[in-house]
Amino acid sequence: EPEVTQTPSHQVTQMGQEVILRCVPISNHLYFYWYRQILGQKVEFLVSFYNNEISEKSEIFDDQFSVERPDGSNFTLKIRSTKLEDSAMYFCASSRDPGPSGNTIYFGEGSWLTVV
Amino acid sequence: GESVGLHLPTLSVQEGDNSIINCAYSNSASDYFIWYKQESGKGPQFIIDIRSNMDKRQGQRVTVLLNKTVKHLSLQIAATQPGDSAVYFCAEIASNTGKLIFGQGTTLQVKP
Repeated sequence: EPEVTQTPSHQVTQMGQEVILRCVPISNHLYFYWYRQILGQKVEFLVSFYNNEISEKSEIFDDQFSVERPDGSNFTLKIRSTKLEDSAMYFCASSRDPGPSGNTIYFGEGSWLTVV
Repeated sequence: GESVGLHLPTLSVQEGDNSIINCAYSNSASDYFIWYKQESGKGPQFIIDIRSNMDKRQGQRVTVLLNKTVKHLSLQIAATQPGDSAVYFCAEIASNTGKLIFGQGTTLQVKP
């Protein structure tokens, strides 16, 4: 079964450093997402991406965050200057279609970011 | 703001029993709901979905019930197994955006 893959699985970084989390979505999917989950809390939407631009973003996704699809396969999340509260599990997801049209959103295994 | 939530943070059941996990949602305009299972250290895994024009949908050992009148969603797991132990989230998709709104999660503990 096709799957969304994410790297790294775990990264420890110092506060103020830049971090790039990488994702390879399922190959025939066109819609890409980043979610995050702070330890013990629910999964929160960050951003959706389609046709090389952001479709929607949450209030969490401030100027410190950016997304990019640098080539035909990777989808990246960059945090420009990490803060302690950015420590979380970051999930990449992809879907073939948007919205409630019979699609299923597939999640990766997550990248655990620890900011120290 | 609108949110999707679950009634109980933890549910403990005996192996072989049926489990019922509940969820209340607040956005009456939501028309697509998904149940996810999340095992420790892993991403959410799709279990079953339901559209708002249905009130019941069955999968393998799982059934989702939707009551739009009271905005209530439930996941029934038949003959619960130790491998079912996980956190279960309900989620709604905001129409036409693909943006999932997750509930808080219920931890299902299966006792042997």
